[in-house]
Amino acid sequence: QAVVTQEPSLTVSPGGTVTLTCGSSTGAVTSGHYPYWFQQKPGQAPRTLIYDTSNTHPWTPARFSGSLVGGKAALTLSGAQPEDEAEYYCLLSYIGARVFGGGTKLTVL
Amino acid sequence: QVQLVQSGAEVKKPGASVKLSCKASGYTFTSYSIHWVRQAPGQGLEWMGWIDGDDGDTKYSQKFQGSVTITMDAAATTAYMELSSLRPEDTAVYYCYRTWGYWGQGTLVTVSS
Repeated sequence: QAVVTQEPSLTVSPGGTVTLTCGSSTGAVTSGHYPYWFQQKPGQAPRTLIYDTSNTHPWTPARFSGSLVGGKAALTLSGAQPEDEAEYYCLLSYIGARVFGGGTKLTVL
Repeated sequence: QVQLVQSGAEVKKPGASVKLSCKASGYTFTSYSIHWVRQAPGQGLEWMGWIDGDDGDTKYSQKFQGSVTITMDAAATTAYMELSSLRPEDTAVYYCYRTWGYWGQGTLVTVSS
């Protein structure tokens, strides 16, 4: 089974920009992995921010965007807000199966 | 609007089985797949498997092959996930989500003697 890697933790200043990445042990992440990005706050269910690399939901704040960068899936937060402090998970698709990354704890400080 | 409503919390003894439900509404059930995910206390998300709402085809994570069975009742627009031979390590919140990422509220399963 593939292993999906994320930064364990990142810190961003309020109003700053940060990029979270999602890599695959099988090689470059492509659009064919249909990357998803989820935000989870303590005690809450995950919330989908991005699906299929860069598609957003109506509830996705405009400051979040998804892309592919340097062989990885990327979630960029531009103009961080205190309420963006959370755990972020990516999910990749592998011929039907799915694998989550270990999550990135994002601190806004 | 798309909604996934999961069944209530369960307490089970080791060795037992549990069957959770995920009732979907607000969309054509057979047009999308439903996935099951779990999260042990203080841990990350773990993908378990999914079912195709169109034909009922299933795919499981290697880890859960043989211990998890995902089924559905299209007429009831409900997906089910049964986990057998429960162990204390299976204590977790179990979530369902639909393609494009609409999530249920989660169901806490506690396995304890």
